[in-house]
Amino acid sequence: DSGVTQTPKHLITATGQRVTLRCSPRSGDLSVYWYQQSLDQGLQFLIQYYNGEERAKGNILERFSAQQFPDLHSELNLSSLELGDSALYFCASSEYTSGRVGEQFFGPGTRLTVL
Amino acid sequence: GENVEQHPSTLSVQEGDSAVIKCTYSDSASNYFPWYKQELGKRPQLIIDIRSNVGEKKDQRIAVTLNKTAKHFSLHITETQPEDSAVYFCAAKKADDYKLSFGAGTTVTVRA
Repeated sequence: DSGVTQTPKHLITATGQRVTLRCSPRSGDLSVYWYQQSLDQGLQFLIQYYNGEERAKGNILERFSAQQFPDLHSELNLSSLELGDSALYFCASSEYTSGRVGEQFFGPGTRLTVL
Repeated sequence: GENVEQHPSTLSVQEGDSAVIKCTYSDSASNYFPWYKQELGKRPQLIIDIRSNVGEKKDQRIAVTLNKTAKHFSLHITETQPEDSAVYFCAAKKADDYKLSFGAGTTVTVRA
């Protein structure tokens, strides 16, 4: 157990719908990262927050948005869902931000299926 | 941004043999290179990492080597066991960057 929690574990929804994925980082970690992993694909970085502020953006679609709350948990919002959005979404947390290096601890992931 | 290429995409080895996975990176400013292992249906987990001021690091049966001049780093697994079967991802991070750039992954299968 990495200490990072994600809910829900599984999510099945229809095209055009909107969903929210939730992540709680390890105690003390200020950075939260979101990744998308499609079937047989690598880890695509979406977005990073540090202590409530957006710090880096990757290949995140405009239909997707995220935020980090004062208690440091983060939510990833996916709207106008398409079949191609079906994937495993991972949240990771780390103690550090830029300028320092350290392990990113991954949560168990949320498997999103869009029908 | 940083571009990380990983080879091979699949690797099948006989139990007890060695496995080697290679990654190249594009940005010479990268200074941190972790390797993650992801078992089927599970989360990626860090297995070893190396910083740019070190050329080699070893932890039991796994080792990582870094060639800064050539901008490549490799994962070596010796005496492979069935539980080493997984997808392995390399990654790189620049000192002034906030994120890891991952390779596409290598599916390793250890044949009994």
